[in-house]
Amino acid sequence: KQEVTQIPAALSVPEGENLVLNCSFTDSAIYNLQWFRQDPGKGLTSLLLIQSSQREQTSGRLNASLDKSSGRSTLYIAASQPGDSATYLCAVGDYKLSFGAGTTVTVRA
Amino acid sequence: NAGVTQTPKFQVLKTGQSMTLQCAQDMNHEYMSWYRQDPGMGLRLIHYSVGAGITDQGEVPNGYNVSRSTTEDFPLRLLSAAPSQTSVYFCASSTGTSGPQETQYFGPGTRLLVL
Repeated sequence: KQEVTQIPAALSVPEGENLVLNCSFTDSAIYNLQWFRQDPGKGLTSLLLIQSSQREQTSGRLNASLDKSSGRSTLYIAASQPGDSATYLCAVGDYKLSFGAGTTVTVRA
Repeated sequence: NAGVTQTPKFQVLKTGQSMTLQCAQDMNHEYMSWYRQDPGMGLRLIHYSVGAGITDQGEVPNGYNVSRSTTEDFPLRLLSAAPSQTSVYFCASSTGTSGPQETQYFGPGTRLLVL
């Protein structure tokens, strides 16, 4: 059974600081890894999807890396803004996703 | 496109009552799924469907039924609600045409409280 862990559970940083969010998984035989954003009381919005054959994906200020051999992924958010405050979830799998519990980020103005 | 829609947004049930959570998508997606989200835990898969007429169990299927008679709709039925089913329920969909390497789109969720 795939286990996905996200540490830390919460993170508070001043505006402008770079964010580093970690995700680890136990089974390296994954199809893809996705990072989602969830705002309070809302659904999930997909940020980045890394296919198993890829090592990273970038979108604007966001960059996600994938190291299957070590079972880790990292989401980098450059120059954080208060609007980046949300919970960030990582998920691995094919059609059936296994989720981490998320990291709740607060960016202080 | 409205994307993935879910109704109701919030529901209170008494133990033993039954209800159906509705999920619809207008993107002609083949794959649809239901997850539940509990505090401090990641989303867990309840049931999923890879196309009309085809459903299968996920990680936590007990107490829930599904059917998929059309491509657009994927309702989740609680037969006899229990307090342990208090949770936030999310429906998701993806095209299913490119295989597992696809982004999944999530609905806004249904908050369910079972007393």
